[in-house]
Amino acid sequence: AQRVTQPEKLLSVFKGAPVELKCNYSYSGSPELFWYVQYSRQRLQLLLRHISRESIKGFTADLNKGETSFHLKKPFAQEEDSAMYYCALRGEGGKLIFGQGTELSVKP
Amino acid sequence: KAGVTQTPRYLIKTRGQQVTLSCSPISGHRSVSWYQQTPGQGLQFLFEYFSETQRNKGNFPGRFSGRQFSNSRSEMNVSTLELGDSALYLCASSLRQDGGELFFGEGSRLTVL
Repeated sequence: AQRVTQPEKLLSVFKGAPVELKCNYSYSGSPELFWYVQYSRQRLQLLLRHISRESIKGFTADLNKGETSFHLKKPFAQEEDSAMYYCALRGEGGKLIFGQGTELSVKP
Repeated sequence: KAGVTQTPRYLIKTRGQQVTLSCSPISGHRSVSWYQQTPGQGLQFLFEYFSETQRNKGNFPGRFSGRQFSNSRSEMNVSTLELGDSALYLCASSLRQDGGELFFGEGSRLTVL
C-alpha cells in the first residue's frame, strides 16, 4: 500500500537555524516524490520534486530509497519559511498521496 | 493565465442534504483531482478525472461522487451529508494524468450542521 508519513505535526526553530522536515514513504515500486507548501492565506503549491534535484528557496530534498525517506532540509531557516509543508508520493495509477503535513514555525 | 477556480468558496448545509462543488481547471489542463482537507486527517485523495473518465478513486464512501465535462470542468457531489463531511475540499489540475505538478484552487469550505 502507498503511504506517506510525516512524523512531526509541528516543528519550531529559530531564524538562522537549520531545519529538517521528515518524510517517510511506503511504496513497492519506483516512487515519484514531491514537497508542497502552503503559506498563510495562500494556495497549496509545489515546492520541489525529487526528479529535478533542484534547490528552491534554499530547500533541498534527497530521495533515500534504502531508508524510504525524502526529508526536506534548509541550512538557515528564515521567518518567511513559516508554512505548512506536505510530502507527497505519486505511486500506482498516478494518484498523488499526501502526508499529514508539518507546520514549520520560524521564530525571530 | 487564470488559476484553478472553485465555487462556492463557503457553504453551510445541514445533515442529510446534498452538495455540489465546482472546479474550473487551468486552461489546457485535462486532469482534475479532488482532495478533502481536515485538521485531523490532512489531505485525503478523493478522485481524479482525465478526459471525462475517472482514473483513480480514494477510499471514500459512495456518497462522494464526481464527474468531468468535455471542457475539463469538474464537479463533485456529496449526498446525505454527515457532520464529519465538514472540511475544505480542494481541487487541483494538471496537464497530464500520470505526472507533473498539481495546481490547486483555494478550496470550498463546507460546514455541515
